[in-house]
Amino acid sequence: EVQLVESGGGLVKPGGSLRLSCAASGFTLTSYSMNWVRQAPGKGLEWISSISSSSSYIYYADSVKGRFTISRDNAKSSLYLQMNSLRAEDTAVYYCARGTYYYGSGTYRGYMDVWGKGTTVTVSS
Amino acid sequence: DIVMTQTPLSLSVTPGQPASISCKSSQSLLHSDGKTYLYWYLQKPGQSPQLLIYEASSRFYGVPERFSGSGSGTDFTLKISRVEAEDVGVYYCMQGIHLPPITFGQGTRLEIK
Repeated sequence: EVQLVESGGGLVKPGGSLRLSCAASGFTLTSYSMNWVRQAPGKGLEWISSISSSSSYIYYADSVKGRFTISRDNAKSSLYLQMNSLRAEDTAVYYCARGTYYYGSGTYRGYMDVWGKGTTVTVSS
Repeated sequence: DIVMTQTPLSLSVTPGQPASISCKSSQSLLHSDGKTYLYWYLQKPGQSPQLLIYEASSRFYGVPERFSGSGSGTDFTLKISRVEAEDVGVYYCMQGIHLPPITFGQGTRLEIK
C-alpha cells in the first residue's frame, strides 16, 4: 500500500524553526517528485514546494522562498521541510504529496496523486 | 501566476441528483505535449485531499464512474451523475501546467440536503 506519513509538527514561537519529515512506503521514492502543500485553518490548499526525484529541480512558493528548504533522502525514503523564521501566517496543516512531473519545452509540469494525512504546525507566542 | 476560479463555492444536493462544478483558469492549460494539466481533488471532512480526475477527464484509480471531468483550454467542469452521501466535502481544481507555482481553486463545498 502506498503511504506517506508526516511528522515533526508542533507549536513554535514566531521567528522559530521546525523540521518536518515525510516517510514514504509502498513505492519507489526515486521514481517520483515530491511536494509540500499546506492548509491554513478553515482555508484552501496552498502549494509551497516541489523537489524532483534526483533533487535537480527545486521550486518554492513566493510566500516561503528564502525561509523554507525542501530536501529528500531517497536512501531513507524520506522527504523533509526545514522551516525557519516562522510567522503566524505559517500556521497550517502541512501535507506531503507524491508528484508525477514532466520536464521539457522549458517547463516543469505535473500533478500530485497521493497525499499523507498531514502534520499540524502552529506558530504562536 | 495562473488564477483558478471555481463556481459555485457551495452547493447542496439531494442524494441521487446530479451536481456540477465549474473551474476556469486565467491561462490555457493545454500544453504542446497534448496534455491538459487540470486536476480535480476531493477533501472529505477531516481527511487529506484525494485525486479524482487527472488531465481534465481521466478518472484516477478507484474513482467511481459517477465522477466525470470535461472541458478544454480554460473552462472545465466536474460532474457527479448521482450524488451519494459519501461525496460530501470540498472539491478543488488545480493547474499544473507550469511550476512554479501550482495553484488551486478556492474550493467548492458540497453538502447533502
